[in-house]
Parts: sequence; structure tokens; C-alpha cells
Amino acid sequence: EAGVVQSPRYKIIEKKQPVAFWCNPISGHNTLYWYRQNLGQGPELLIRYENEEAVDDSQLPKDRFSAERLKGVDSTLKIQPAELGDSAVYLCASRWAPTSEQYFGPGTRLTVT
Amino acid sequence: GESVGLHLPTLSVQEGDNSIINCAYSNSASDYFIWYKQESGKGPQFIIDIRSNMDKRQGQRVTVLLNKTVKHLSLQIAATQPGDSAVYFCAEEGFQKLVFGTGTRLLVSP
Repeated sequence: EAGVVQSPRYKIIEKKQPVAFWCNPISGHNTLYWYRQNLGQGPELLIRYENEEAVDDSQLPKDRFSAERLKGVDSTLKIQPAELGDSAVYLCASRWAPTSEQYFGPGTRLTVT
Repeated sequence: GESVGLHLPTLSVQEGDNSIINCAYSNSASDYFIWYKQESGKGPQFIIDIRSNMDKRQGQRVTVLLNKTVKHLSLQIAATQPGDSAVYFCAEEGFQKLVFGTGTRLLVSP
């Protein structure tokens, strides 16, 4: 079974430019999470989806970040405009509702210059 | 606010030794705890979990101990192998939200 797929794996952009990340969760997993992980730190939740509904976006900086999961499967996370402090690894995870275990993708490493 | 922290940023052990990674948590209401392993360039990988109604749980070569009295969690790895070298995170879950600690880097030398 394929795991959580994320693309791109690496992205380098200049500040003020837009950037988007894509996530394909494990088939059948209705819960999807986006996390941000700064160097040497644990992941921090940005947003959680239950199917296509964002049920927890309290940590998402809504002035520049947006996310969508239109059909309750794939999801995209966008930053516009990017700032230097957005440099981090953006992780996607998914979970099958009856269980507690979250499965993480490999992440997208964003560098803003 | 809620926080999950780790005592040591780096732990160095010899191959074959037992490793113990410690974690303190502050939210006494948390009822589910997980240990994750993260290798370079990869996402966190589930190792073992424990619920608050237990104080010990064993897996293959790994054991998690939970001491609710002092809000302490530990991960024990038996017969540590070079492949165990990674960063280990403890995390607590409440309302389906994971709160991760900073991480401990485990270095295994031959």
C-alpha cells in the first residue's frame, strides 16, 4: 500500500513569491493534517480536515496561508506571499477515523531566500 | 500553555546497549501518548503508543513507560542498532490534536 505522497520534496523561492504544496493521503483515510516543522523542533499542526471540512484551522496563519481539500481526498497548502520565516518542512499526515495512528508523508522542505 | 518537552537533545550509545529516551509532559488531562522516530529527510514514523490507563506497554525491542504522577514518559530501546539512529519525538494527543516535543537525537556507534 502506498503511503502519504507529497510533492514537491524541495522548493526554493524568493520572499514575497507564492508557493503551493500537494498531498495525497493514504486511500480511505478521511482525516488529513498539515504540519509545519522547524529545524530541530517537533511538527506543529496547521490544519486538520475531516473529509472536505476543515475542523481545526486555529493555528493556520490565515493572512498568508490557505488550504483546501475539495473532494475530501487530495489537499493543497498555499502560502502567498512567502516570508523568510516560512522556511521549514511542511508535513502532511492522514488517519483512518477508527484508529488513532497518523501516517506522515516525507514532507516538503521549503527554503525562502 | 500545554507543552511536551524532552530532557536531553542528544543521546549517544554503543551498538547493543539499551537506550532510554525521556520526555516530560505538562497537560495532566492528556490520555494518549505516542513515540515517533524521524530519520533524516523522512516524516515521523509511529513506534509505539500508550493510553493513560496503562503504565507500561511493550513492542518489538521497544517499551514505553508512563508515570502519570510525575507526568513523565520514557522510551526504552533494547539492543540498540545502528538503524535506530534518528530523532525521537514524544507526543501527546488531546481532541485529535498531536502536540510534539522538541526531539532527542539518538546516535548509535558501532
